[in-house]
Amino acid sequence: RKEVEQDPGPFNVPEGATVAFNCTYSNSASQSFFWYRQDCRKEPKLLMSVYSSGNEDGRFTAQLNRASQYISLLIRDSKLSDSATYLCVVMVGGGNKLTFGTGTQLKVEL
Amino acid sequence: DTAVSQTPKYLVTQMGNDKSIKCEQNLGHDTMYWYKQDSKKFLKIMFSYNNKELIINETVPNRFSPKSPDKAHLNLHINSLELGDSAVYFCASSGTGVGVSEAFFGQGTRLTVV
Repeated sequence: RKEVEQDPGPFNVPEGATVAFNCTYSNSASQSFFWYRQDCRKEPKLLMSVYSSGNEDGRFTAQLNRASQYISLLIRDSKLSDSATYLCVVMVGGGNKLTFGTGTQLKVEL
Repeated sequence: DTAVSQTPKYLVTQMGNDKSIKCEQNLGHDTMYWYKQDSKKFLKIMFSYNNKELIINETVPNRFSPKSPDKAHLNLHINSLELGDSAVYFCASSGTGVGVSEAFFGQGTRLTVV
């Protein structure tokens, strides 16, 4: 089983739609969780950290379910500019190893 | 003012050659990484250094040798390049400890071995 698993997509959605991505992780000792965004031929950039209580940043909401070991990202009112690959990232403890999922590709269309 | 910079951005070389990629960060971070992103876009950690000490060494061939002269630099030297080494190599840095773990990535080095 992969350490971090995501549906690779692509998710093709119309502008204005709401879309949700899920990610599961295998190591129950994982303590830090993130969503990164990667545009085509660019480096990954942090989109948001994921906190146990859930957190929201504008149109983006992240949730963490420790019991089921999954993380979700909800994007409301999708924009064309949201088209990218979204990477689920997990860190075990306070260590130094960020483990990436394979990424979920999102395409927002007119 | 680039936070994590790596050079070169593109590298095309023949099989069997030896090449190096350089990385520098000006964020004052203690930890630096090398990641490899293959043709299937999967980002996989190769090495991690903390204060110039190697702390993570995934199952990477011995042909790959990282070197950290100081905590702001982490270079990657590759000997006897093979076709399968073609990928994008990303350098990254982060602080350490829970809550300060955001990693900042360089722009990547697109290595093509012919």
